[in-house]
Amino acid sequence: DAKTTQPNSMESNEEEPVHLPCNHSTISGTDYIHWYRQLPSQGPEYVIHGLTSNVNNRMASLAIAEDRKSSTLILHRATLRDAAVYYCILRDLNRDDKIIFGKGTRLHILP
Amino acid sequence: GAVVSQHPSRVICKSGTSVKIECRSLDFQATTMFWYRQFPKQSLMLMATSNEGSKATYEQGVEKDKFLINHASLTLSTLTVTSAHPEDSSFYICSATEEGQGVLGGTQYFGPGTRLTVL
Repeated sequence: DAKTTQPNSMESNEEEPVHLPCNHSTISGTDYIHWYRQLPSQGPEYVIHGLTSNVNNRMASLAIAEDRKSSTLILHRATLRDAAVYYCILRDLNRDDKIIFGKGTRLHILP
Repeated sequence: GAVVSQHPSRVICKSGTSVKIECRSLDFQATTMFWYRQFPKQSLMLMATSNEGSKATYEQGVEKDKFLINHASLTLSTLTVTSAHPEDSSFYICSATEEGQGVLGGTQYFGPGTRLTVL
């Protein structure tokens, strides 16, 4: 499976935008880029996904580099409830459905 | 969105006993469910893929005789930790993909997790 690289941790101030980077230099043409997050003592929850174009939803935006070798999850206005571990995951169209989690980025929000 | 539930949310048991954890998709059907384990401060580790009506597929290093998985219907998978020992204490999480979405960008929905403590 193609690997992703994320910073171990990041900090941001409350009510400011947060940009969470992810590198996936070995991404293949059939890989979707997915982001999940895990709040403390909870199961992961889906945040957003994309293939080539930038994507927006009510939770976040996903900016995908033109060569698809990196992407950035953007939280437009972080709140204390956004403190979580954020996982960037590649999912192949043609393979099975399972998700293999990396270490993710632990996001700390400062009040 | 789709909801996955787990029961119980927390269980404490004595060493040597067996514990069953249920995972249900509440408002959708799931041919495939997944079981993960997570130790403190670590990432989720995939244990097995649970397929409705057939045997589960276990990841390398996971003992299939210790972690029994049954997927009897399109909305229920169970994980039984047999003869549990303190080292099996962990946070167990299941997930499911809605039938028909497949891997074509399909979202996986995760349960809230079950915290198992073996004394």
